Amino acid sequence: GAGVSQSPRYKVAKRGQDVALRCDPISGHVSLFWYQQALGQGPEFLTYFQNEAQLDKSGLPSDRFFAERPEGSVSTLKIQRTQQEDSAVYLCASSSQRRGYEQYFGPGTRLTVT
Amino acid sequence: GNSVTQMEGPVTLSEEAFLTINCTYTATGYPSLFWYVQYPGEGLQLLLKATKADDKGSNKGFEATYRKETTSFHLEKGSVQVSDSAVYFCAPTLTGKLIFGQGTTLQVKP
Repeated sequence: GAGVSQSPRYKVAKRGQDVALRCDPISGHVSLFWYQQALGQGPEFLTYFQNEAQLDKSGLPSDRFFAERPEGSVSTLKIQRTQQEDSAVYLCASSSQRRGYEQYFGPGTRLTVT
Repeated sequence: GNSVTQMEGPVTLSEEAFLTINCTYTATGYPSLFWYVQYPGEGLQLLLKATKADDKGSNKGFEATYRKETTSFHLEKGSVQVSDSAVYFCAPTLTGKLIFGQGTTLQVKP
């Protein structure tokens, strides 16, 4: 179907607020990845799901970050008690096992913490 | 650990010039290698890939060859266009998670 979609596209949060970022992967893609991209930098890995199982969360920067994919499709990245250093673009990508490690990225959510 | 180094930008070229963007990686195995491109105001797009030594990935006139002996995956294009202006990212992966370089900005002038 359509590509990876993410919502909201832009989010402004006051420091200390909780935020939830949504990712809708390409239909049928079993693998889903979250990345964080700071301004002027390359994306950095946060976490990875295969279906509903979170197989790698080694990139989550603190226990304020939490991700889930309860039914193996839509995923949500939640950040609790946001800090200014959380300001970044959060990218979601999905891939099909048939295509190896090719990942298809969504447009990202730009989070600004004030 | 695994890492990747790209040539620093910005790279500024005139239209129809030859492009090379260097990329070298370190990995504890034989990764799959990708180039992604980010056009202004758009999301990351897969440009090309190579999955084993000596493979050549190609797309839209861009090419890159997987060089195991030099652990490199340099991106080349024989004749760039203004529309190629973008940020280019090299990204190896061993396990699925992509390790991105810092990106190289290409600006092509008419």
